[in-house]
Amino acid sequence: AQTVTQSQPEMSVQEAETVTLSCTYDTSENNYYLFWYKQPPSRQMILVIRQEAYKQQNATENRFSVNFQKAAKSFSLKISDSQLGDTAMYFCAFEGAQKLVFGQGTRLTINP
Amino acid sequence: SAVISQKPSRDICQRGTSLTIQCQVDSQVTMMFWYRQQPGQSLTLIATANQGSEATYESGFVIDKFPISRPNLTFSTLTVSNMSPEDSSIYLCSVMTARTEAFFGQGTRLTVV
Repeated sequence: AQTVTQSQPEMSVQEAETVTLSCTYDTSENNYYLFWYKQPPSRQMILVIRQEAYKQQNATENRFSVNFQKAAKSFSLKISDSQLGDTAMYFCAFEGAQKLVFGQGTRLTINP
Repeated sequence: SAVISQKPSRDICQRGTSLTIQCQVDSQVTMMFWYRQQPGQSLTLIATANQGSEATYESGFVIDKFPISRPNLTFSTLTVSNMSPEDSSIYLCSVMTARTEAFFGQGTRLTVV
């Protein structure tokens, strides 16, 4: 069974700083997808970024980028120039057999 | 992308009663999913709902407690039956698109008293 581990329950940074959230996963599959989701207090799950395992190039979406290390089964999220609106729970997720397995989440707070 | 409308957004229910949560998608999707998110925790998959067949439940979840309907490719319901305070959670509907992207409804915050 696939597992996803986020080892940082909480993080806090100052506005405009860069922050990196860690995620590791375990799977025996070779083709899969990885995601980062953001859940603000509104409860809405928002897709932040998506990575296809067969692509070596790291995905980037504006201020959000990932460091995907397939051999190490690591998938970290970097948020550059952090903004107050980035305050939320962040979940790393693995897609296998069209099901998502989520990590425990990291509560990120951006301070003014 | 997919836009999902989920309702109710919240409800307070008496123990022993049932609540049905509705999920409407703006496009046809093959796979719909129901998750539970207990306070302060991550998302746990309850079941996968496919149109035209019975839902597939994950370990720890049973049809008698969480019956699911999937009458067409844009709609599904989840019922939380015979509720107890332990069922107090956020319940989320999700769909997976052909691009293997999952989108979520706004969630239903259920409180059982």
